[in-house]
Order: sequence, then structure tokens, then C-alpha cells
Amino acid sequence: EVQLVESGGGLVQPGGSLRLSCAATGFTFSNYWMTWVRQAPGKGLEWVANINLIGSETNYVDSVKGRFTISRDNAKNSLYLQMNSLRAEDTAVYYCTTVAGSCTNGVCYSLHFDSWGQGTLVTVSS
Amino acid sequence: DIQMTQSPSSLSASVGDRVTITCQASQDISNHLNWYQQKPGKAPKVLIYDASTLQTGVPSRFSGSGSGTDFTFTINSLQPEDIATYYCKHYDDLPPSFTFGPGTKVDIK
Repeated sequence: EVQLVESGGGLVQPGGSLRLSCAATGFTFSNYWMTWVRQAPGKGLEWVANINLIGSETNYVDSVKGRFTISRDNAKNSLYLQMNSLRAEDTAVYYCTTVAGSCTNGVCYSLHFDSWGQGTLVTVSS
Repeated sequence: DIQMTQSPSSLSASVGDRVTITCQASQDISNHLNWYQQKPGKAPKVLIYDASTLQTGVPSRFSGSGSGTDFTFTINSLQPEDIATYYCKHYDDLPPSFTFGPGTKVDIK
């Protein structure tokens, strides 16, 4: 059974840093692109970042570029999100997800987020 | 950047009703469109990908259609367990990036 378990959330002051982790079990982690998706309290879903199979390609939503870094350790079946210079508007539940589908030579097919963790809450407040 | 809109933002329907949600993209996105269901307090779940392909294990009362800029998501006979917020989501190829619609909250009348 696919399981994704996020950890590392908590309360942090504006300008602070936090590192989220996502432990993956039940599937071949190195075969999947991975993403982070967030949801501010009472708001909709927002894609934050994704990473390719070996960690050589990463992409970010504009609002976190230069502040957040997505990474992975395939030996540990783990995904990470390093969040620096945190702002109040980064307050959200952060989910890690697998990405089903594929990308080859710059063309992607059938991309969708097929497994999700339970989420970890990040609160940025003084 | 491609913008996604959804309508209505919320709806209330009776058990057994047919429910339709629309999603519109600001430019042609082919069939690069998914639909997700999020029940209160839970993580989202994919229902439809490639605009009309039902994810494995999803009940057949859910369906999707459309291509280009206009898409439709339908629940053919609304059930109490379908109370949720439904989101469309677009993906771009180069580089891979994703944009969710604002969501449609579905309640039972």
C-alpha cells in the first residue's frame, strides 16, 4: 500500500526557516516525480514545487522561487522541502504527492497527483 | 500564465440529482486537465485525468469531458458521500507546472 507521511511542520516566526520531510513506503520511490502542494486555512489548493526522478530538475510556483528548495533522497525514500524567509502567507497545510504519468523530451503525458500524504501544518506567525 | 476558473463556486443538490461543474482555461490546454475531490479534513483524491479518464477505483457516476478551453465534470447521481470540494487542475509541459482551479463546494440540499 502506498503511504506518504509528512513531518516537520510547526510554528515559526516570519523570516524563519523550516524543513519538511515526506517518508514514502509501499512503492518504488525512485520511479516517481514528486510534488509539494499546499492549502492555506479555508482556501484552495496550490501547487508549490516538483522534482524529477533523480533530483536534477526542479520547478516552483513563482511565489516561493528563491525561498523554497525541493529535494529528494532516493536511498532513503524521502522527499524534502526546505523553506526559508517564511512569510505569513506561507501558512498552510503542506501535502506531498506522487506524480503519475511521464515526461519525455520535454513533453508530458497524463500527469496527475495520484497519492497524497495526510499533510503537515506550517504556521508562520510572531 | 494560464488561469483556471470554475463555476459555480458552490452548489446544493438533492441525493440522486445530476450535478455539473464547469472549468475554463484562459487558453487552449488540450486535455491536460484533472479533477480532484477533497472531503472536509482530508487530503484530495484524483477522480479524473486527461479530462475524461476515470482513475482506477473511482465510481462510474463520476465523469469528465471537454478539450481545449472548456471542461465539464459530472456526478450522475449525487450520493451523501460525495459532499466535498471539487477542484480542476491543469498541467503545463515545459517545464512541468500545475495550476488548480478555485474549487466548487458541493452540499446536499
